[in-house]
Formats: sequence, structure tokens, C-alpha cells
Amino acid sequence: DAKTTQPTSMDCAEGRAANLPCNHSTISGNEYVYWYRQIHSQGPQYIIHGLKNNETNEMASLIITEDRKSSTLILPHATLRDTAVYYCIVRAGGSGGSNYKLTFGKGTLLTVNP
Amino acid sequence: DTGVSQNPRHKITKRGQNVTFRCDPISEHNRLYWYRQTLGQGPEFLTYFQNEAQLEKSRLLSDRFSAERPKGSFSTLEIQRTEQGDSAMYLCASSSETQYFGPGTRLLVL
Repeated sequence: DAKTTQPTSMDCAEGRAANLPCNHSTISGNEYVYWYRQIHSQGPQYIIHGLKNNETNEMASLIITEDRKSSTLILPHATLRDTAVYYCIVRAGGSGGSNYKLTFGKGTLLTVNP
Repeated sequence: DTGVSQNPRHKITKRGQNVTFRCDPISEHNRLYWYRQTLGQGPEFLTYFQNEAQLEKSRLLSDRFSAERPKGSFSTLEIQRTEQGDSAMYLCASSSETQYFGPGTRLLVL
């Protein structure tokens, strides 16, 4: 799976949008971008994933550049409860084979400040 | 709550003892994964089941570790002769495509 690069930490003011960047310059055509977050002492929580097009759900939006070499996770109105480590992961799609496991880096610690 | 449950949530044991953790996946998911997470690091893949078949084991999974998934439902992870280096959070995830994680079992080996 392609490697990802994320900033170690970011701050955001409560109520403002949090924009978390991720570089994945070696991504290949069948690889998806997944985002998870992990609040202290809990299991990782799935947020969103995408292949080429931008995606939005009730938690966040995912913007993928046209060349797919980078992406941004957007939390539109950050709250204190969004303080967590956010992981950007590239994973091949489809079923079976080596595409099933997730390779986590160290992620970005997002701190939402009051 | 993702629907993946793990028990116990916390376990303290003495070095040399055996421990067993249980994971109950989302019922319709045929894939189940175990990960380990140490302090300050992201989760690391340990092993993967498709139904009852264990299809891959990481090099992290030493001979003291064994995982089973009888009947393709719940799974157990056993660590024999625990060492202090086994202290970590053990995470279970299940999927049909997207992986959903349980709350983890935090193990402390004294």
C-alpha cells in the first residue's frame, strides 16, 4: 500500500472548520483513501473514504486532488469532541489478497480549542 | 458503538501468565482482524480471518500468540507466557469492506 504523510499536530478553534491534509504521492489507481480517527483510549472510528471523487457524509467531507496525490479531510464545524488523532490510510479496493489490512502511520493530533 | 465488542476491556496480569481476549464482530461481517497498538503509535496489523480461515499472520505474531475464529463468528486471541513487552491495546475490527473497530482490550503485564 502507498505511504501517507500527515502533519504531526494541528490546532483548530471550536466552531471553525478543521482541514486536515494528507499526502499520498505514490497512490496507485485502485487504491482508496480512508480516514479514521481515534479519541484517547478508544478504538479507531471510521470517518470516510473515497477513490477519485469528493465525498461527504454526516461526519466530514473528503477532498481528493485531481492527480490523487493528496487529500484533505474537512470537519465543517469542529467541536471539542473532535479532538483526536486522525489517520489517513491508503488501501487497495476489492476483496481478498493483500488489500485487506490497514497500515496506520502516526496520524495528526487535532486539538480543538474553546 | 460500532457493533464490534471486545472483552475484557482491561486486563492486568503477571509476567508468564496466559491471557485470552475475545472479539464479537458485526454479525454479517465475514472478515475479522486483530491489531496491536502501543503507546504513541498507530495500530499494527497482527492477523486476519475470512470466515473461520486465518489467512495471514504478521511477523509481530510470535509463537506465543494464537488466534482462532471457530465457526466464523467470534474470535479469540491468546497470549501464552506473557512478557512485559506484550503490554499494549489489542484491537479487533470486522468488515465486509470497510473495517469497523471495537473498543479494544488494554493489557498490562507486570
